[in-house]
Amino acid sequence: GQQLNQSPQSMFIQEGEDVSMNCTSSSIFNTWLWYKQDPGEGPVLLIALYKAGELTSNGRLTAQFGITRKDSFLNISASIPSDVGIYFCAGSNAGGTSYGKLTFGQGTILTVHP
Amino acid sequence: EPEVTQTPSHQVTQMGQEVILRCVPISNHLYFYWYRQILGQKVEFLVSFYNNEISEKSEIFDDQFSVERPDGSNFTLKIRSTKLEDSAMYFCASSPLHRGGIGGEKLFFGSGTQLSVL
Repeated sequence: GQQLNQSPQSMFIQEGEDVSMNCTSSSIFNTWLWYKQDPGEGPVLLIALYKAGELTSNGRLTAQFGITRKDSFLNISASIPSDVGIYFCAGSNAGGTSYGKLTFGQGTILTVHP
Repeated sequence: EPEVTQTPSHQVTQMGQEVILRCVPISNHLYFYWYRQILGQKVEFLVSFYNNEISEKSEIFDDQFSVERPDGSNFTLKIRSTKLEDSAMYFCASSPLHRGGIGGEKLFFGSGTQLSVL
């Protein structure tokens, strides 16, 4: 099956710093999504990307859909303590019967020190 | 804000027992899913369900697993005879589906049921 490689696996940063994480795949996805998971909770959608090259922002978060459709990155600017959590990339080739079948990366654990 | 609710939050069972995990998807959503996450690992797709039938299932979703929408609001995952390796967090999710198929991949996840098989 399709595999997503997400890096880094973990990050320890100071409050106020910017963060960047990325995701690569050996195969193409039509849609890239970024989710955040807090402890004991389900993943929450942050950003969805639908077109190659697309750059989308959601507050302090910015994500891009790579031109090759095999990668995506997520940036968080001016981090704050509540940014702590696990960030997952996910790819989808929605269509036909495959709506909502997401392939997830391994996650990036983000720790923010006040 | 509407949300996906799952019960119970924790389930402990003996190996070989049947378990039913319950979910109430967001009311106007049309696609329903089950995913699972083994401790420390990534979230994995199990099954998608649309129009009262399974749309797609993964290799994990073998004959021991089944899903059902018994009424207009609930969506359940049954594991017939649990194994130790079924221990995981099970997430239910739902998504809207707009004309042209847009939005179907925007999944809204519940908080999960932690299943422990002893």
